[in-house]
Amino acid sequence: ETGVTQSPTHLIKTRGQQVTLRCSSQSGHNTVSWYQQALGQGPQFIFQYYREEENGRGNFPPRFSGLQFPNYSSELNVNALELDDSALYLCASSLAGRGDNYGYTFGSGTRLTVV
Amino acid sequence: AQSVTQLGSHVSVSEGALVLLRCNYSSSVPPYLFWYVQYPNQGLQLLLKYTSAATLVKGINDFEAEFKKSETSFHLTKPSAHMSDAAEYFCAVSDRGSGNTGKLIFGQGTTLQVKP
Repeated sequence: ETGVTQSPTHLIKTRGQQVTLRCSSQSGHNTVSWYQQALGQGPQFIFQYYREEENGRGNFPPRFSGLQFPNYSSELNVNALELDDSALYLCASSLAGRGDNYGYTFGSGTRLTVV
Repeated sequence: AQSVTQLGSHVSVSEGALVLLRCNYSSSVPPYLFWYVQYPNQGLQLLLKYTSAATLVKGINDFEAEFKKSETSFHLTKPSAHMSDAAEYFCAVSDRGSGNTGKLIFGQGTTLQVKP
């Protein structure tokens, strides 16, 4: 049983650019959630995708968008990058849209630095 | 709305000593509560979770936590600290009230230092 894989592990972008982060969910999981973890903070919920549709969104602007594919993998896209977007982005997969019941599996994250 | 407060951003214990990490929650519905551990440059690993069954929850690596509704607390304990326990610990509550996403709301984290 494979875990959650995120790519890339690190990247550096310039303010104003766009970035795409990728996540492969754990085998058998059909739901993906994305979290942003700023340095020294707890993770904050960005959004969740279930059956290829957004299933909930946190307090993040529309320039944060996502996709989920038929194989349940997912992308997080951020447009018009700002310095405050620098953070560790975590992907978590779960089963049946309720990770709190069935458990979340987190990836190791993508460290994004915006300069 | 649900929220979590972790008391103490840094906790330092000696190897072999009791570990106590404090977490208080606020929830308008019966909560699901979690403790996660994060090692440097890694993701989150679930230590244990409370989902309205037994109030004393046992997790991995001898960690346990007790749900106390009257105190709205879910403190994490371990009888004897190991050097390998040094990490960041996060308490989280599940947002069960909106849209049924089950999203997690995390506390600010507590850094556990274990001294030889």
